[in-house]
Amino acid sequence: EAGVAQSPRYKIIEKRQSVAFWCNPISGHATLYWYQQILGQGPKLLIQFQNNGVVDDSQLPKDRFSAERLKGVDSTLKIQPAKLEDSAVYLCASSNRDREQYFGPGTRLTVT
Amino acid sequence: LAKTTQPISMDSYEGQEVNITCSHNNIATNDYITWYQQFPSQGPRFIIQGYKTKVTNEVASLFIPADRKSSTLSLPRVSLSDTAVYYCLVGEYNQGGKLIFGQGTELSVKP
Repeated sequence: EAGVAQSPRYKIIEKRQSVAFWCNPISGHATLYWYQQILGQGPKLLIQFQNNGVVDDSQLPKDRFSAERLKGVDSTLKIQPAKLEDSAVYLCASSNRDREQYFGPGTRLTVT
Repeated sequence: LAKTTQPISMDSYEGQEVNITCSHNNIATNDYITWYQQFPSQGPRFIIQGYKTKVTNEVASLFIPADRKSSTLSLPRVSLSDTAVYYCLVGEYNQGGKLIFGQGTELSVKP
């Protein structure tokens, strides 16, 4: 079974630029999550989708972050404009009714 | 969602048994206890989940006392490859629930 795929793996941008991350969840997983993990901290949930609907986006900085899940499968997370404090690893995860979340390898973003 | 407290770091040697305890005094009746493992440059990986008493799988055991206010992850005979950060999470899960990660316990296994 293929795991959660993410791209790119690394991205370096200057502040005020925009960036987008892509996630392809495990086939058949209805729930998709985006997390932000700052160095030395645990992952923080940004947004949760159930199929293509948003379940929880309470910690998503909506003035600069946006996310969508097309046709209930792939998802993109966008930051516009980026700030220095957005430097982090962005993790995508998916799950089905088994409760266990499967994480992708993450995208390491560096904002200079 | 109940807050969890666990040691920031632990050291061990190869072949030893490692026990990581997590405190969750405000655990709710419907909450489960879940542990994830994270290696550098990788996403977290599910290890084990339990509700009460003892759960064992091929990689770990999870001990939960009757009051459920704490839990202990037990890793038998650790190897260098078990060096990672271990997260204890508490929450109600149905069809994929919200996970709140703390800082985790950084386990360092030495030869």
